[in-house]
Amino acid sequence: DAKTTQPPSMDCAEGRAANLPCNHSTISGNEYVYWYRQIHSQGPQYIIHGLKNNETNEMASLIITEDRKSSTLILPHATLRDTAVYYCIVRARGKLIFGQGTELSVKP
Amino acid sequence: NAGVTQTPKFQVLKTGQSMTLQCAQDMNHEYMSWYRQDPGMGLRLIHYSVGAGITDQGEVPNGYNVSRSTTEDFPLRLLSAAPSQTSVYFCASSYEDTQYFGPGTRLTVL
Repeated sequence: DAKTTQPPSMDCAEGRAANLPCNHSTISGNEYVYWYRQIHSQGPQYIIHGLKNNETNEMASLIITEDRKSSTLILPHATLRDTAVYYCIVRARGKLIFGQGTELSVKP
Repeated sequence: NAGVTQTPKFQVLKTGQSMTLQCAQDMNHEYMSWYRQDPGMGLRLIHYSVGAGITDQGEVPNGYNVSRSTTEDFPLRLLSAAPSQTSVYFCASSYEDTQYFGPGTRLTVL
C-alpha cells in the first residue's frame, strides 16, 4: 500500500478555506485516496475519497493532481468545529492504513 | 440504526489477564476491522474481516485474536494482556468504501 506524507500541523482562520496537502508519490493505478478526520479522540469520520477526478460533497472538495502523486483536501469555509486531525489514506485490497495525519487548528 | 457499538468504554486489566473487546454493527456490512491508537499517533490496523468466517491480519496483529462467526459481531480477544497493549481500540465496519467507526474502548494494562 502506498504511503502518505502530510504536514504535522496547520492553522486556519475561521471562515477561510483550509487547504490540507498530502503526498502519495508511490500510489498505484488502482489505489483510491481517502480522507478521514478525528475530532478529539472520537472515532474517525469519513470525509471524501477519489481515484482520479476531483470530487466534492457537502463536507469538502478533493483535488487530485493529474499524475496522482499528491492531493489536497479543501474545507471551503472552516469553522471552529473543523478543528481535528485529518488523515490522508491510500487504500487498496480492502485495508485502510492510517498515517500520522495533520492537526488542523481553526482559530477565531 | 445504532451503527457501530463497542463495549466496554473503559477497562483496566492486570498483566496476564485475558479479555474480549466487543464490537457489533447493525448495518449488515461485510467488512469489519479493529484499530489501536496510541497517544499522539495515528490508527494502526490490528485485524480485519471481509465477511463471516474470514479474517486476516493487519499491521500489528501480535497478541490479539479475532473471529467472525456472524456478520454483526467482530470481537477482539487479548489472550494475555501486556502493558504495551494499553491503548484506545476502535472497531469499524465498511460499506462501499466508507468506514464507520465506533466510539472506542480505552484499555489500560497495569
